[in-house]
Amino acid sequence: SQKIEQNSEALNIQEGKTATLTCNYTNYSPAYLQWYRQDPGRGPVFLLLIRENEKEKRKERLKVTFDTTLKQSLFHITASQPADSATYLCALARGWNSGNTPLVFGKGTRLSVIA
Amino acid sequence: GAVVSQHPSWVICKSGTSVKIECRSLDFQATTMFWYRQFPKQSLMLMATSNEGSKATYEQGVEKDKFLINHASLTLSTLTVTSAHPEDSSFYICSARPTGGETGNTIYFGEGSWLTVV
Repeated sequence: SQKIEQNSEALNIQEGKTATLTCNYTNYSPAYLQWYRQDPGRGPVFLLLIRENEKEKRKERLKVTFDTTLKQSLFHITASQPADSATYLCALARGWNSGNTPLVFGKGTRLSVIA
Repeated sequence: GAVVSQHPSWVICKSGTSVKIECRSLDFQATTMFWYRQFPKQSLMLMATSNEGSKATYEQGVEKDKFLINHASLTLSTLTVTSAHPEDSSFYICSARPTGGETGNTIYFGEGSWLTVV
């Protein structure tokens, strides 16, 4: 069966450290993978998209890697701040890359950055 | 940036009544919109894919007669929860993919609508 697994339900780290979140998938062949941030009671906010032919993508303090052999993506937040505390969701296209393809989500990792 | 607006943000309704949630793309056109439901501390669960001018495609286990979806224009999709029951209480989120953009481009999410059925 198809699965998207995010390794930790919750992750606590000290301010200034690097947070690393993991997303593993089974029985998907995604053309791209996305990461979203969700704050309590709010809709998800897009952070980064990485395509299957890209190994790494960066945006300010965020870095995403994508290993299609391992079927894994890593999401890093460097120099973490309390404002980074949120739930981070991994998402990928369920089917072939078309306009009708919906995103399916992992359960998310709730990150808490402690000052 | 692109904005998807949902209305209402929260609604309380009596058991047995129907409630409509609107999803609008404010600054782009969206041939396809998606509806999700999220229970507390759970992930987003896809309910249906809404296509402008045609019938929605529902996920397995989602009752199409209970969750009516209408996508009458390129900027508006509505979800109507009919004969609502307390177990329908949840956070409903829509998302939209800009039409004509590169496939794989960002999907934008609304802020969600909290439904409480009493």
